[in-house]
Amino acid sequence: QSALTQPASVSGSPGQSITLSCTGTSSDVGSYNLVSWYQQHPGEAPKLMIYEASKRPSGVSNRFSGSKSGNTASLTISGLQAEDEADYYCCSYAGTSTYVFGSGTKVTVL
Amino acid sequence: QVQLVESGGGVVQPGRSLRLSCAASGFIFSDYAMHWVRQAPGKGLEWVAIISYDGKNKYYADSVKGRFTISRDNSKKTLFVQMNSLRDDDTAMYYCAKERVTVAGRGMDVWGKGTTVTVSS
Repeated sequence: QSALTQPASVSGSPGQSITLSCTGTSSDVGSYNLVSWYQQHPGEAPKLMIYEASKRPSGVSNRFSGSKSGNTASLTISGLQAEDEADYYCCSYAGTSTYVFGSGTKVTVL
Repeated sequence: QVQLVESGGGVVQPGRSLRLSCAASGFIFSDYAMHWVRQAPGKGLEWVAIISYDGKNKYYADSVKGRFTISRDNSKKTLFVQMNSLRDDDTAMYYCAKERVTVAGRGMDVWGKGTTVTVSS
């Protein structure tokens, strides 16, 4: 149950697009389309942004999109805004009803 | 509204026990699997455990297996985790989270604000 690998930090200017990666193995990300992404602002609880790799819950901005290829899932934030500055975590089903989170990426809006 | 409220956190000595609770409201608690997720100070999220909607199936992260027990009381709409043999590295904010739909693995869509557990002598 090793944490999925995410870049420690990603930054971009307002209006730009950025992509966050989440790399696992053939036992988790590569085997299931059950990857979710969470946004966490300092001092707050996580918020679901993407589920099943590419689906967006109601109420989440369509500037957020997800995809998956092989052992790597990605979260793209388009039209970057100041409010998007937060930590982002991926999470994958890892078989036998267990789950694994990524190490987290801090997004900075320049 | 849909809400989860954790309680029971505190300061505890290594080797001792603690029981956390998570009170649910605003949804049919007995329909959904529930998770515990923790976050050590300044660190990332770590999945801890999941319990099926009916309480019959329970699964744990290797880091807590044999020490933590997840349970639920659907009549009281409450989720629990019994934490035994606590260690320094169990120090964290503990969140409960609800599965988005009745089938597990489809995302955790409701989270509580968390309760803090500090293991220290």
